Amino acid sequence: SAVISQKPSRDICQRGTSLTIQCQVDSQVTMMFWYRQQPGQSLTLIATANQGSEATYESGFVIDKFPISRPNLTFSTLTVSNMSPEDSSIYLCSVDHRGSSGNTIYFGEGSWLTVV
Amino acid sequence: GENVEQHPSTLSVQEGDSAVIKCTYSDSASNYFPWYKQELGKRPQLIIDIRSNVGEKKDQRIAVTLNKTAKHFSLHITETQPEDSAVYFCAPPSCSGNTGKLIFGQGTTLQVKP
Repeated sequence: SAVISQKPSRDICQRGTSLTIQCQVDSQVTMMFWYRQQPGQSLTLIATANQGSEATYESGFVIDKFPISRPNLTFSTLTVSNMSPEDSSIYLCSVDHRGSSGNTIYFGEGSWLTVV
Repeated sequence: GENVEQHPSTLSVQEGDSAVIKCTYSDSASNYFPWYKQELGKRPQLIIDIRSNVGEKKDQRIAVTLNKTAKHFSLHITETQPEDSAVYFCAPPSCSGNTGKLIFGQGTTLQVKP
């Protein structure tokens, strides 16, 4: 399996500010993804972080609000920009890890964000 | 894209009973079918998955069955224990060949009563 570290694990931020979340993997992975989980809800894919090119965003998510970096095959960042209370969520990164029986998706511990 | 429906949304069982959660998907080309368990305040953890070349997979008290014709797969937990209480998500990928873009079901809150 892959070991995924996310920072920060929790934060409380003022509205109008931005927060950058980091995701570090212990092995090189081709695909990294960012998800959002609003309180009491399921997970929704925000974007695919592509190494060496712009991220691919899902419907309802835009680069200006959620800029993503992927400088190498083990690291990615997600920024939540100009935050409002509606952005209060858990943000999770995940990786597509190639194993002996096929690819498996693993999640980081999540970053709990509260916007006040 | 993939449409995913999960039933039931809540499930309450007595300790020792079995629990079954069903997930229906729309993309007939889907070939990977995972189940995740999320305990309160924690990340989703993969508990079992199945690929389209088999119909059933078992890991101790947990099993997953796949019916590709009907486009659904189910999670089976036998001899439930209080620590099985959590939210369970099915999450088939949005497109075949790309395992990582998961489409999560709405979740099933399982409560196991001692």
